Amino acid sequence: QQQVKQSPQSLIVQKGGISIINCAYENTAFDYFPWYQQFPGKGPALLIAIRPDVSEKKEGRFTISFNKSAKQFSLHIMDSQPGDSATYFCAANGTNFGNEKLTFGTGTRLTIIP
Amino acid sequence: DTEVTQTPKHLVMGMTNKKSLKCEQHMGHRAMYWYKQKAKKPPELMFVYSYEKLSINESVPSRFSPECPNSSLLNLHLHALQPEDSALYLCASSQVGMSAYGYTFGSGTRLTVV
Repeated sequence: QQQVKQSPQSLIVQKGGISIINCAYENTAFDYFPWYQQFPGKGPALLIAIRPDVSEKKEGRFTISFNKSAKQFSLHIMDSQPGDSATYFCAANGTNFGNEKLTFGTGTRLTIIP
Repeated sequence: DTEVTQTPKHLVMGMTNKKSLKCEQHMGHRAMYWYKQKAKKPPELMFVYSYEKLSINESVPSRFSPECPNSSLLNLHLHALQPEDSALYLCASSQVGMSAYGYTFGSGTRLTVV
């Protein structure tokens, strides 16, 4: 129940195209859903996040769509650029005995080709 | 200062060695975390400190020993590691109760056990 399933495992998109990464969860107690971007040799960096009472959040070229009834959320990257090439992790925040814990998805390696 | 600084960046150690990883933040965050990340995998939570007290230990082997000497520092003491412990070790920090809102990762220590 603590799992977050992420797809696809890898994604190749042409420059200027839309990159879409999907995640699904089971635990309805998750209360916050962030996306992290990780470049090789670096730690993950928070990209954008959403609460379950909101269906969409947009920040620049990045949009999260959230479907609470389906327990799914996705990241859309508009006008994808070569600099967006990185590994993306979705995550879900839950509280267990008063302790917060982030559960990460398995990751998507995104490659933007010119 | 919005950074989490980890030292060293790279570490090679033998199976009989004792070494320590260090993490420092000056953002006033009172929750600090150790994660382990294997290649092409998501970060896995190891330990959580909240107000300098260990609040989560994810059943990590005793050859990993965390320490939080003050609100800015987090150490991970390593002893008698195995080659399978080779990984990227990430430190992160956040406000207590706000882990998903403001989770800042360091760049990690790349550990190789020989």
